[in-house]
Amino acid sequence: SQQGEEDPQALSIQEGENATMNCSYKTSINNLQWYRQNSGRGLVHLILIRSNEREKHSGRLRVTLDTSKKSSSLLITASRAADTASYFCAYGSFQKLVFGTGTRLLVSP
Amino acid sequence: DAGVIQSPRHEVTEMGQEVTLRCKPISGHDYLFWYRQTMMRGLELLIYFNNNVPIDDSGMPEDRFSAKMPNASFSTLKIQPSEPRDSAVYFCASGTTPYNEQFFGPGTRLTVL
Repeated sequence: SQQGEEDPQALSIQEGENATMNCSYKTSINNLQWYRQNSGRGLVHLILIRSNEREKHSGRLRVTLDTSKKSSSLLITASRAADTASYFCAYGSFQKLVFGTGTRLLVSP
Repeated sequence: DAGVIQSPRHEVTEMGQEVTLRCKPISGHDYLFWYRQTMMRGLELLIYFNNNVPIDDSGMPEDRFSAKMPNASFSTLKIQPSEPRDSAVYFCASGTTPYNEQFFGPGTRLTVL
């Protein structure tokens, strides 16, 4: 399967802590994206990093990309209860997006 | 813009019945995607269209599934006949390229009894 793999599958932290999620993929890519999905809702795009970039920031989000290791990480700093959701990586490859398996993040007040 | 619109939001049907899911993409988006999400298989791309033309339908599980896009503002995904294993959440998404940011609808939760 070309599906991206994410770890951990689930992560439970306290408000104020940082959350780190990792994504690995198997093919060459144009870009790598991260999406958030709240329970019962559609996916929402968070951030996109191109294959020639190594790091990107957006607010409390920091994404890194290592194309030599075919991996990416998403860091959410100073987490809030509202960050509770599932997070998916998706890589742009061969004219389509391939989504990872997701990480369920629970942030407790 | 209202975003991607899907209907119905929930569908419960019996095995063997025909099911039609509907999607209205964001105006100006040339690409429309249909995904299926299950616990076991995650999020799978079923088919996508560019300018109303199907480009990649390799993810369509079998002949019981068909998708059409008669115009730029409407697409359908049909399952006939439906089976219990088709139970899933079906998402429609749209975008301006096949591999950049995609905008997802709220999904249709399908239950086949």
